[in-house]
Amino acid sequence: QKEVEQNSGPLSVPEGAIASLNCTYSDRGSQSFFWYRQYSGKSPELIMSIYSNGDQEDGRFTAQLNKASQYVSLLIRDSQPSDSATYLCAAFTGGGNKLTFGTGTQLKVEL
Amino acid sequence: GAVVSQHPSWVICKSGTSVKIECRSLDFQATTMFWYRQFPKQSLMLMATSNEGSKATYEQGVEKDKFLINHASLTLSTLTVTSAHPEDSSFYICSARGHLSYEQYFGPGTRLTVT
Repeated sequence: QKEVEQNSGPLSVPEGAIASLNCTYSDRGSQSFFWYRQYSGKSPELIMSIYSNGDQEDGRFTAQLNKASQYVSLLIRDSQPSDSATYLCAAFTGGGNKLTFGTGTQLKVEL
Repeated sequence: GAVVSQHPSWVICKSGTSVKIECRSLDFQATTMFWYRQFPKQSLMLMATSNEGSKATYEQGVEKDKFLINHASLTLSTLTVTSAHPEDSSFYICSARGHLSYEQYFGPGTRLTVT
Protein backbone atom coordinates (compact mmCIF):
# COMPACT_ATOMS: atom_id res chain seq x y z
CA GLN A 1 0.00 0.00 0.00
CA LYS A 2 1.34 3.40 -0.96
CA GLU A 3 1.67 5.90 1.85
CA VAL A 4 -0.29 8.58 0.03
CA GLU A 5 -2.74 7.55 -2.66
CA GLN A 6 -4.61 9.57 -5.25
CA ASN A 7 -6.66 8.68 -8.27
CA SER A 8 -4.61 9.66 -11.30
CA GLY A 9 -7.62 10.86 -13.26
CA PRO A 10 -8.11 12.70 -15.46
CA LEU A 11 -11.00 14.29 -13.62
CA SER A 12 -13.05 16.40 -16.00
CA VAL A 13 -15.44 19.05 -14.76
CA PRO A 14 -17.29 21.78 -16.62
CA GLU A 15 -16.34 25.40 -16.06
CA GLY A 16 -18.09 26.81 -13.02
CA ALA A 17 -18.59 23.44 -11.33
CA ILE A 18 -17.04 22.19 -8.11
CA ALA A 19 -14.02 19.95 -8.54
CA SER A 20 -13.47 17.42 -5.78
CA LEU A 21 -10.05 15.84 -5.40
CA ASN A 22 -9.41 13.08 -2.91
CA CYS A 23 -6.42 11.58 -1.19
CA THR A 24 -5.94 8.82 1.37
CA TYR A 25 -2.94 8.15 3.55
CA SER A 26 -1.81 5.09 5.44
CA ASP A 27 0.20 6.51 8.36
CA ARG A 28 -2.15 7.27 11.24
CA GLY A 29 0.58 9.35 12.83
CA SER A 30 0.56 11.89 10.01
CA GLN A 31 -0.36 15.34 11.27
CA SER A 32 0.34 17.75 8.42
CA PHE A 33 -1.16 17.68 4.95
CA PHE A 34 -0.68 19.77 1.87
CA TRP A 35 -2.10 20.28 -1.57
CA TYR A 36 0.14 21.38 -4.40
CA ARG A 37 -0.80 22.38 -7.93
CA GLN A 38 1.55 21.54 -10.77
CA TYR A 39 1.07 22.86 -14.27
CA SER A 40 2.60 20.85 -17.09
CA GLY A 41 6.32 21.54 -17.32
CA LYS A 42 6.36 23.62 -14.13
CA SER A 43 7.26 22.95 -10.52
CA PRO A 44 4.66 22.36 -7.79
CA GLU A 45 3.04 25.32 -6.08
CA LEU A 46 1.70 25.08 -2.54
CA ILE A 47 -1.98 26.03 -2.45
CA MET A 48 -3.32 24.67 0.86
CA SER A 49 -2.06 23.34 4.17
CA ILE A 50 -4.27 21.62 6.73
CA TYR A 51 -3.33 20.31 10.14
CA SER A 52 -6.57 19.65 12.04
CA ASN A 53 -9.82 17.85 11.35
CA GLY A 54 -12.47 19.76 9.47
CA ASP A 55 -12.48 22.28 6.68
CA GLN A 56 -10.10 25.05 5.84
CA GLU A 57 -11.05 27.60 3.22
CA ASP A 58 -8.92 29.93 1.14
CA GLY A 59 -10.73 31.73 -1.64
CA ARG A 60 -12.17 29.17 -4.03
CA PHE A 61 -10.25 26.35 -2.37
CA THR A 62 -11.40 24.27 0.60
CA ALA A 63 -9.24 21.56 2.11
CA GLN A 64 -10.93 18.92 4.23
CA LEU A 65 -9.24 16.55 6.65
CA ASN A 66 -10.70 13.50 8.33
CA LYS A 67 -8.05 11.80 10.44
CA ALA A 68 -10.35 9.00 11.59
CA SER A 69 -10.92 7.95 7.98
CA GLN A 70 -7.42 8.99 6.90
CA TYR A 71 -8.44 11.07 3.97
CA VAL A 72 -7.82 14.56 2.75
CA SER A 73 -9.76 16.30 0.04
CA LEU A 74 -9.58 19.50 -1.93
CA LEU A 75 -12.63 21.26 -3.28
CA ILE A 76 -12.30 23.89 -5.97
CA ARG A 77 -15.41 26.03 -6.37
CA ASP A 78 -16.31 27.83 -9.59
CA SER A 79 -13.68 25.86 -11.49
CA GLN A 80 -11.90 27.76 -14.24
CA PRO A 81 -9.94 26.46 -17.24
CA SER A 82 -6.84 27.91 -15.56
CA ASP A 83 -7.36 25.38 -12.74
CA SER A 84 -6.51 22.59 -15.19
CA ALA A 85 -3.37 21.05 -13.73
CA THR A 86 -2.16 18.09 -11.71
CA TYR A 87 -2.95 18.32 -8.02
CA LEU A 88 -0.54 16.64 -5.63
CA CYS A 89 -1.50 15.58 -2.13
CA ALA A 90 1.35 15.38 0.37
CA ALA A 91 1.76 14.35 3.99
CA PHE A 92 4.49 13.98 6.53
CA THR A 93 4.69 10.27 7.14
CA GLY A 94 6.67 7.91 9.31
CA GLY A 95 7.50 10.62 11.81
CA GLY A 96 10.19 11.71 9.43
CA ASN A 97 11.51 14.92 8.06
CA LYS A 98 10.22 14.59 4.54
CA LEU A 99 6.99 14.93 2.68
CA THR A 100 5.49 11.94 0.94
CA PHE A 101 3.66 12.85 -2.25
CA GLY A 102 0.84 11.10 -3.98
CA THR A 103 1.16 10.54 -7.70
CA GLY A 104 -1.25 13.37 -8.40
CA THR A 105 -4.69 13.78 -9.94
CA GLN A 106 -4.98 15.47 -13.29
CA LEU A 107 -7.84 17.94 -13.39
CA LYS A 108 -9.33 19.20 -16.64
CA VAL A 109 -11.80 22.06 -16.54
CA GLU A 110 -13.72 22.18 -19.78
CA LEU A 111 -15.38 25.18 -21.36
CA GLY B 1 4.13 32.30 0.31
CA ALA B 2 7.88 32.05 0.52
CA VAL B 3 10.01 32.41 -2.59
CA VAL B 4 12.60 29.92 -3.78
CA SER B 5 14.71 30.52 -6.85
CA GLN B 6 16.77 28.18 -8.97
CA HIS B 7 19.50 28.85 -11.45
CA PRO B 8 19.83 28.05 -14.26
CA SER B 9 16.29 27.41 -15.43
CA TRP B 10 17.60 25.19 -18.19
CA VAL B 11 20.98 23.86 -19.21
CA ILE B 12 22.36 21.74 -22.03
CA CYS B 13 25.66 20.01 -21.46
CA LYS B 14 27.78 17.38 -23.13
CA SER B 15 28.07 13.86 -21.82
CA GLY B 16 30.86 13.54 -19.27
CA THR B 17 30.76 17.11 -18.05
CA SER B 18 29.49 18.36 -14.70
CA VAL B 19 26.64 20.76 -14.07
CA LYS B 20 25.90 22.81 -10.96
CA ILE B 21 22.39 23.92 -10.06
CA GLU B 22 21.78 26.56 -7.40
CA CYS B 23 18.75 26.83 -5.15
CA ARG B 24 18.14 29.91 -3.05
CA SER B 25 15.50 30.85 -0.51
CA LEU B 26 14.93 34.55 -1.12
CA ASP B 27 12.84 35.71 1.82
CA PHE B 28 13.34 33.13 4.54
CA GLN B 29 16.04 31.00 6.09
CA ALA B 30 15.84 27.45 4.81
CA THR B 31 17.03 25.08 7.48
CA THR B 32 16.14 22.13 5.28
CA MET B 33 16.33 21.84 1.52
CA PHE B 34 15.24 19.02 -0.70
CA TRP B 35 16.22 17.99 -4.21
CA TYR B 36 13.76 16.21 -6.48
CA ARG B 37 13.91 14.83 -9.98
CA GLN B 38 10.94 14.44 -12.27
CA PHE B 39 10.85 12.62 -15.58
CA PRO B 40 8.11 13.47 -18.10
CA LYS B 41 4.63 12.41 -16.98
CA GLN B 42 6.04 10.84 -13.82
CA SER B 43 5.85 11.67 -10.13
CA LEU B 44 8.30 13.72 -8.16
CA MET B 45 11.16 11.62 -6.91
CA LEU B 46 13.01 12.80 -3.83
CA MET B 47 16.74 12.52 -4.33
CA ALA B 48 18.13 13.91 -1.10
CA THR B 49 17.47 16.03 1.96
CA SER B 50 19.99 18.48 3.31
CA ASN B 51 20.17 20.46 6.51
CA GLU B 52 22.30 23.56 6.67
CA GLY B 53 25.82 22.69 7.66
CA SER B 54 25.28 18.94 7.52
CA LYS B 55 25.88 16.25 4.96
CA ALA B 56 22.93 15.46 2.76
CA THR B 57 20.84 12.36 3.30
CA TYR B 58 20.33 10.53 0.03
CA GLU B 59 17.37 8.38 -0.88
CA GLN B 60 17.91 4.75 -1.71
CA GLY B 61 19.25 4.29 -5.20
CA VAL B 62 20.60 7.82 -5.57
CA GLU B 63 24.37 7.90 -6.03
CA LYS B 64 25.84 10.40 -3.61
CA ASP B 65 29.12 10.58 -5.55
CA LYS B 66 27.28 11.47 -8.72
CA PHE B 67 24.85 13.97 -7.26
CA LEU B 68 26.83 16.22 -4.95
CA ILE B 69 24.78 18.38 -2.64
CA ASN B 70 26.08 21.28 -0.61
CA HIS B 71 23.96 23.30 1.83
CA ALA B 72 26.53 25.75 3.08
CA SER B 73 24.21 28.53 4.21
CA LEU B 74 20.63 29.06 5.29
CA THR B 75 19.72 30.47 1.90
CA LEU B 76 21.72 28.42 -0.59
CA SER B 77 21.96 24.79 -1.61
CA THR B 78 23.68 23.45 -4.69
CA LEU B 79 23.32 20.22 -6.63
CA THR B 80 26.19 19.18 -8.87
CA VAL B 81 25.56 16.45 -11.39
CA THR B 82 28.99 14.98 -12.05
CA SER B 83 29.97 13.17 -15.23
CA ALA B 84 26.51 13.68 -16.63
CA HIS B 85 25.05 11.16 -19.07
CA PRO B 86 21.99 11.37 -21.30
CA GLU B 87 19.97 9.33 -18.79
CA ASP B 88 20.50 12.14 -16.27
CA SER B 89 18.43 14.42 -18.48
CA SER B 90 15.46 15.41 -16.34
CA PHE B 91 13.68 18.21 -14.53
CA TYR B 92 15.48 18.94 -11.24
CA ILE B 93 13.50 20.80 -8.62
CA CYS B 94 14.60 22.03 -5.23
CA SER B 95 12.36 22.90 -2.33
CA ALA B 96 12.97 24.54 1.00
CA ARG B 97 11.50 24.64 4.45
CA GLY B 98 12.15 27.10 7.23
CA HIS B 99 12.79 26.46 10.89
CA LEU B 100 9.71 25.34 12.81
CA SER B 101 7.68 25.37 9.60
CA TYR B 102 5.99 22.41 8.01
CA GLU B 103 5.34 24.15 4.71
CA GLN B 104 7.70 23.35 1.88
CA TYR B 105 8.16 25.68 -1.07
CA PHE B 106 9.47 24.68 -4.47
CA GLY B 107 11.81 26.46 -6.80
CA PRO B 108 10.86 26.81 -10.47
CA GLY B 109 13.03 23.86 -11.50
CA THR B 110 15.99 23.32 -13.80
CA ARG B 111 15.62 21.38 -17.00
CA LEU B 112 18.82 19.49 -17.73
CA THR B 113 19.53 18.03 -21.15
CA VAL B 114 22.67 15.96 -21.60
CA THR B 115 23.72 15.39 -25.20
